[in-house]
Amino acid sequence: EVQLVESGGVLVQPGGSLRLSCAASGFTFSSYGMNWVRQAPGKGLECVSYISGSGRVRYYADSVKDRFTISRDNAKNSLFLQMNSLRAEDTAVYYCARDSPMVRGDVPRWFDPWGQGTLVTVSS
Amino acid sequence: DIQMTQSPSSLSASVGDRVTITCRASQSIGTYLNWYQQKPGKAPNLLIYAASSLQTGVPSRFSGSGSGTDFTLTISSLQTEDFATYYCQQSYSSPPYSFGQGTKLEIK
Repeated sequence: EVQLVESGGVLVQPGGSLRLSCAASGFTFSSYGMNWVRQAPGKGLECVSYISGSGRVRYYADSVKDRFTISRDNAKNSLFLQMNSLRAEDTAVYYCARDSPMVRGDVPRWFDPWGQGTLVTVSS
Repeated sequence: DIQMTQSPSSLSASVGDRVTITCRASQSIGTYLNWYQQKPGKAPNLLIYAASSLQTGVPSRFSGSGSGTDFTLTISSLQTEDFATYYCQQSYSSPPYSFGQGTKLEIK
């Protein structure tokens, strides 16, 4: 069974740092791009970051660029999100989500499955 | 950046109703459009990918259509378990991909 399990969400003060983890199982982790998506309380979904299967390609939303860093350890089937200079507006449930299978060419992509999420609260 | 706009933002319907949710992109995105369902306290779940392809395990009462800038998600006969929030997502641009603001489907 394909499974994604996030961890690391806690209460942190503004300006603080946090590292989220996502443990993957049930598939060949290194063959898939991975994403972090967040959802502020009562709000919609926001894609935060993407990393390719090899880890060589990374993208970030403007809202987190230069503050967050996505990484992965394919030997340990794990995805990470290092979050620095945290702000109140970063408060959200953070989900990891697997990208669709890698294929040659420019084709539609989607996220499936998703983890259960981990709550990050930034407050003094 | 590609902006995704869903309508309506909320919708009340009854079991057995046929429901349509619309998603509009700020520029043409071909068929690079996905639909997700999210229930309270749960992660989103993929329903439709590439505008009209039904994800494995999703009931056939769900269908998607459209291309270019205008897309629809249709539920042919609402069931109790379908009351949830629905999001569209484009994957035309480089990541991170943008979502619509969501459509909350409530029981009338």
